[in-house]
Amino acid sequence: EDQVTQSPEALRLQEGESSSLNCSYTVSGLRGLFWYRQDPGKGPEFLFTLYSAGEEKEKERLKATLTKKESFLHITAPKPEDSATYLCAARFSGNTPLVFGKGTRLSVIA
Amino acid sequence: SQTIHQWPATLVQPVGSPLSLECTVEGTSNPNLYWYRQAAGRGLQLLFYSVGIGQISSEVPQNLSASRPQDRQFILSSKKLLLSDSGFYLCAWNPGTNNEQFFGPGTRLTVL
Repeated sequence: EDQVTQSPEALRLQEGESSSLNCSYTVSGLRGLFWYRQDPGKGPEFLFTLYSAGEEKEKERLKATLTKKESFLHITAPKPEDSATYLCAARFSGNTPLVFGKGTRLSVIA
Repeated sequence: SQTIHQWPATLVQPVGSPLSLECTVEGTSNPNLYWYRQAAGRGLQLLFYSVGIGQISSEVPQNLSASRPQDRQFILSSKKLLLSDSGFYLCAWNPGTNNEQFFGPGTRLTVL
């Protein structure tokens, strides 16, 4: 069964301390890898879509990368406002629902 | 531009009472529509999805049901709520092709 696994479950960083979040998936015809940010009590906010190995996308302090088995969300010099839960999701075939990981809860301390 | 609405934003209901949550999408036609539930400290659980009017796929057997009476309207219902139905309910849509989903603001349901 296709699965998406995120690690770590929680991450605590000092402001300015760069790090990466991991999203691994079982290989079964990946049709897209998606990253979302979710603030408490709100719906997930779309960040990036990656379609093929080697692809990279950037937005402010965030950069998403994709290999054949995993994706990374790199956070450079994070600020407290980057604190949120980051979700990744994969589509494995055709017009099917996304398969979500359980998320990484990021806390950035000033 | 496209917009997705959900209401109510919060709801407190007694066990055994009925439920109706509504989701509407503006600015697009024939979207795929989804209902998710997010329990405290857990991931997103897909409940139902629809690729067209009257077409509903159920992912998890439970006491909830979904309907799509109009192209851009998706309704989540229950005849009798259980305590375990408490959670954060999210509606989402995508244009029906191989691309990203967009989420609504969510409904916080508490069953007492």
